Amino acid sequence: AQSVTQLDSHVSVSEGTPVLLRCNYSSSYSPSLFWYVQHPNKGLQLLLKYTSAATLVKGINGFEAEFKKSETSFHLTKPSAHMSDAAEYFCVPGGYNKLIFGAGTRLAVHP
Amino acid sequence: DTGVSQDPRHKITKRGQNVTFRCDPISEHNRLYWYRQTLGQGPEFLTYFQNEAQLEKSRLLSDRFSAERPKGSFSTLEIQRTEQGDSAMYLCASSPRLDTQYFGPGTRLTVL
Repeated sequence: AQSVTQLDSHVSVSEGTPVLLRCNYSSSYSPSLFWYVQHPNKGLQLLLKYTSAATLVKGINGFEAEFKKSETSFHLTKPSAHMSDAAEYFCVPGGYNKLIFGAGTRLAVHP
Repeated sequence: DTGVSQDPRHKITKRGQNVTFRCDPISEHNRLYWYRQTLGQGPEFLTYFQNEAQLEKSRLLSDRFSAERPKGSFSTLEIQRTEQGDSAMYLCASSPRLDTQYFGPGTRLTVL
């Protein structure tokens, strides 16, 4: 089964600078991969989804991710961080009956 | 199209009491999921329904936990004889098929 590794538990950036949240996956077979975001004391919101139709996926709030088979990566990026981006981010394999979450990456955005 | 709703949003109870949470999925989503999330961790799968059938249960779902989806629409999650270790955020999600899951805002349970 597919599994993912989020390489950073915490990422801190300044407002207006680029964001990079790293996610590596374990298998060449990837029915789908998701990035979810969770703001404090809130439920999870889908940011974007990869389904093999296109390797570059654009999501909400200016986020995008590129599926790179050669690097087995699905990193999440945003050109310019906003204070409201501070949250927990989860890279999650899909295509199964249940979602398996890791601990996520906490993004802090400083003025 | 309204999203997934959960009720209540917060519940404080004393140890030993029973609690029940409700989840209303997005209409016409035949799959409904329950997850539990403790502080600093990602959500953990508890159980899921396809229509009214409960198809999978995690070993995390002890005998004190029961979930139902009687008419294939809303679902309830009941915890009997609550323990302090049950304190967590309980999340519900729905999906139209084996696809993207859409999450509700969660119910935060505090057991004193």
